[in-house]
Amino acid sequence: DTAVSQTPKYLVTQMGNDKSIKCEQNLGHDTMYWYKQDSKKFLKIMFSYNNKELIINETVPNRFSPKSPDKAHLNLHINSLELGDSAVYFCASRPGGGPNEKLFFGSGTQLSVL
Amino acid sequence: AQSVTQPDIHITVSEGASLELRCNYSYGATPYLFWYVQSPGQGLQLLLKYFSGDTLVQGIKGFEAEFKRSQSSFNLRKPSVHWSDAAEYFCAVARTGGGNKLTFGTGTQLKVEL
Repeated sequence: DTAVSQTPKYLVTQMGNDKSIKCEQNLGHDTMYWYKQDSKKFLKIMFSYNNKELIINETVPNRFSPKSPDKAHLNLHINSLELGDSAVYFCASRPGGGPNEKLFFGSGTQLSVL
Repeated sequence: AQSVTQPDIHITVSEGASLELRCNYSYGATPYLFWYVQSPGQGLQLLLKYFSGDTLVQGIKGFEAEFKRSQSSFNLRKPSVHWSDAAEYFCAVARTGGGNKLTFGTGTQLKVEL
């Protein structure tokens, strides 16, 4: 009964490969996010979707493509992986996307690009 | 654009001692402010938030924070730290509009000496 679940938890891959990270929330929230946490623990927003519509798209290489098949799912596909993509990727959601709302986080996917 | 500064990268306190983690924000309008905690290998969990009303807010696990507009600060406090409080703490500010993006500080790692 995990609220925000991400798979896989660990992902080790070679440079140049394509990989996907999946995220699902069972909270009935309208808004979902992807955050990237680097080796210094800095958290940076990448994307946000509200009801399957893209509303935040930060300066992220276009090798990263989010996909939201429905409002409970937000997947992240990464093409041509590079060493610098190594990080922990967090999915999160909040009820309506309002600024005063709490974010619910998944437990993260640690991506290691070799 | 909003920003958050956490001046202390690492803080070590003895169990039972008091704790204050500093946070300064930059935002043109009334800010929505948050403190999140991240335990090793986990996602972030909300400790408390402020957006209006009483400037001293109470959170979970015995934490509190005080909003001081004159100092652009939102410092987190706890009167008596427990060993289980050892974690990474993030201050964050949300803006209205533009997807109500939540921007995180760089985090403060708290170590608790027994």
